[in-house]
Order: sequence, then structure tokens, then C-alpha cells
Amino acid sequence: QQPVQSPQAVILREGEDAVINCSSSKALYSVHWYRQKHGEAPVFLMILLKGGEQKGHEKISASFNEKKQQSSLYLTASQLSYSGTYFCGTEEKAGANNLFFGTGTRLTVIP
Amino acid sequence: NAGVTQTPKFQVLKTGQSMTLQCAQDMNHNSMYWYRQDPGMGLRLIYYSASEGTTDKGEVPNGYNVSRLNKREFSLRLESAAPSQTSVYFCASSVTGPFSEQYFGPGTRLTVT
Repeated sequence: QQPVQSPQAVILREGEDAVINCSSSKALYSVHWYRQKHGEAPVFLMILLKGGEQKGHEKISASFNEKKQQSSLYLTASQLSYSGTYFCGTEEKAGANNLFFGTGTRLTVIP
Repeated sequence: NAGVTQTPKFQVLKTGQSMTLQCAQDMNHNSMYWYRQDPGMGLRLIYYSASEGTTDKGEVPNGYNVSRLNKREFSLRLESAAPSQTSVYFCASSVTGPFSEQYFGPGTRLTVT
């Protein structure tokens, strides 16, 4: 089922930090994070698996709390290029490959 | 390496008309997906294909059909378009396995009047 993201929108100045949260009412196998710039396709950022493995972006980090069925994306020392809408996608069982996406968090970084 | 390509980029249909959205990938991925994106709704899965020859319904399959033509191509058909199908449609592909990040095509913006 569709995960819930918070906040819906956030405005940062360059250099500031932000946290985007994603929570599900279902047990999760993995959480995916994507960023979408206006008028473009979503682009992969990170995958976090149940059990602690992860793969993704060098400058962006994330956590996955399996018991709470929550994930958080940490954007530190934000740059103008971080602006966009961030989506989490949740996978409920291994190999399912069908993701349920949240409604997104719009991040705007200003000079 | 083109990645995931979609045609057309834009389309306007009248209610009741039919059309097929085409998607192709050149990354030798087994899995392919069709999503729709509406304002405030995020991405919602319409259909997916875990491998050549198989297709499965996603969250919002009503009013759509799909064909996995071969490993590279996955098409989405609207048999009788309705205004509620006005949306941006994205095709994506991925490997099968735990680190299955999805690669998205550029999207098709469809308007049904």
C-alpha cells in the first residue's frame, strides 16, 4: 500500500540540511528513493534492504528502520542541484519488484 | 546506450479513441513497468512484467492492457480513452533481484478531451 511521506514540501538555503521521512503500514523488504526534477523522469538515488544492505548515492544517505516500517533520507549541506521532488518506493516482499510510491516531498534549495 | 525510450512524447485523444504507448529498453533488463503520474498522487503502477512472456496487474490496471512483445519492448494500450486517463505515463525497467533500481523513460504526456 502507498507509503506516507513527510514533509510534503520544504525550502532550504544552500548548505542547510533536511530529512525526508517515509512510513508504511505494511512490513517492508526494501525502500527505494528517487528524485524527480520538474518535467523529467525520476532518477534512482538509493535502495535500502531489510537486514541493512544498501546501495546508492555517494552524497546522500538514508536509514531504514524495519521494525517501525520507516525510512528517512538525509540531505546534508544541500546544493542548488538537490532541488526536486523526492519519492520513496516500498517493496513488500523480496522479488516482488512492484513498488508502491509515496506522494513525494518537494524540496527547493535557494541561494 | 539509449536506456529506456518512449513514444510518443505528447498525445491528445478524444474520449473513446484508442492508442498504444510504446516503450523499449536496451539494458537487457528482465523486468519492465508502466506507471502513471498525476498531480499530488505520486507514481502509481499500472502493470508490470517480471520477465518476457509474463504480465501482472499493478494498483490501477482498469482501462489498460499491456503486451510484453519481447525482452526489449513493453507496450501499454488504452482501448477506449477517458478523461480520467489524462496523465503522464512513465515506462521503467530493472534487473530482477534485490538491488533492482528502476530506470525510467522520459514519459508520455497524454491528454484526453
